Amino acid sequence: DGGITQSPKYLFRKEGQNVTLSCEQNLNHDAMYWYRQDPGQGLRLIYYSQIVNDFQKGDIAEGYSVSREKKESFPLTVTSAQKNPTAFYLCASSISQGTGRLFQPQHFGDGTRLSIL
Amino acid sequence: GENVEQHPSTLSVQEGDSAVIKCTYSDSASNYFPWYKQELGKGPQLIIDIRSNVGEKKDQRIAVTLNKTAKHFSLHITETQPEDSAVYFCAATAAYGGSQGNLIFGKGTKLSVKP
Repeated sequence: DGGITQSPKYLFRKEGQNVTLSCEQNLNHDAMYWYRQDPGQGLRLIYYSQIVNDFQKGDIAEGYSVSREKKESFPLTVTSAQKNPTAFYLCASSISQGTGRLFQPQHFGDGTRLSIL
Repeated sequence: GENVEQHPSTLSVQEGDSAVIKCTYSDSASNYFPWYKQELGKGPQLIIDIRSNVGEKKDQRIAVTLNKTAKHFSLHITETQPEDSAVYFCAATAAYGGSQGNLIFGKGTKLSVKP
């Protein structure tokens, strides 16, 4: 089955520690996204990547970093600089949002819940 | 930048009744409006979407309407069933700012369908 796999489902971070969340997709999508979801809030965009080896900051990129070395993978690192990391993190992918094209629907994984010890 | 307001934040209906969730957006250049359903502990699932060149779209018990003049769009669920209970999110494309070309989400509506 094609889809988006996020791992782990639950993750705990100690103070001052960096943690990396995994996102893998086998949909052959060029574009991938990371969102943060807090209770009672909508989804907020952290980083996105339209193509391998390129990524852009979203609205709340501070304290996060990403890489896009492979089309299938878009890992997110929550650094110690992120002072309020407790949240539900969602990865999504889509066909490339190329300039002038119709907006392509985004499809989501089942998330990673990050908590602070 | 783009802002998306979603109402109500909670909605409770009896099984078989209809449910309506409304969203307003601020950017008149927005041209794509998806609706997502999120069940507990899961990621959002796209259930229906509409583009700005269409006023209404229907898929079985689910329909979305768009009023570009008023800048609002609505999700209509008819003949609700207990399995429709979930959190529903609307979104709109952002034409400007840091999220340009991406989606801005509403804060969600928790729908409860009582048997």
